[in-house]
Amino acid sequence: DAKTTQPNSMESNEEEPVHLPCNHSTISGTDYIHWYRQLPSQGPEYVIHGLTSNVNNRMASLAIAEDRKSSTLILHRATLRDAAVYYCILRDAGDYKLSFGAGTTVTVRA
Amino acid sequence: NAGVMQNPRHLVRRRGQEARLRCSPMKGHSHVYWYRQLPEEGLKFMVYLQKENIIDESGMPKERFSAEFPKEGPSILRIQQVVRGDSAAYFCASSPTGAGWQTEAFFGQGTRLTVV
Repeated sequence: DAKTTQPNSMESNEEEPVHLPCNHSTISGTDYIHWYRQLPSQGPEYVIHGLTSNVNNRMASLAIAEDRKSSTLILHRATLRDAAVYYCILRDAGDYKLSFGAGTTVTVRA
Repeated sequence: NAGVMQNPRHLVRRRGQEARLRCSPMKGHSHVYWYRQLPEEGLKFMVYLQKENIIDESGMPKERFSAEFPKEGPSILRIQQVVRGDSAAYFCASSPTGAGWQTEAFFGQGTRLTVV
């Protein structure tokens, strides 16, 4: 499985943007970049995914480097509810499994 | 539209007992996945099922663990003769199809198993 590298933790202030980096230097051409998050005592929750182009949805934006070896999840205005572990996952087009790493623990200060 | 429902939310078993964890997928979803999260560890894939079929059980321990997804009713993860090392959070996810890129997996809130 292609692997991802994320910082262990990040802190942010409420109402400010959060940029979560993810390195995936061994990504293959058929790997999609998925982001999930896990709030305390909850199951994982889908955030966003993309292949080559930047993506936006109501939760976040995903910026993908031109060489696809890295990506950044952007939470535009952090709220206390965004405190969670964020997982960057590579998933082949034909694969059904999600391979979770350690993720980045995001803390939001009021 | 109810999400993925898991029950019980919390389950306490004594060593040697059986644990049965239930998962009702989202309406219209016929693909179910089970993941386990051991304390201080990440989520690990256990098994992938479609109705009445086990597609991939490569993440399941070889002994004591089994899973089913019958034609009617919820998916069941069964752990026989539980040991303390089975204490973990077990999450079920469902999706409308099994293919990767376009499929978002919807997770339940998990069952937290404690073996005493």
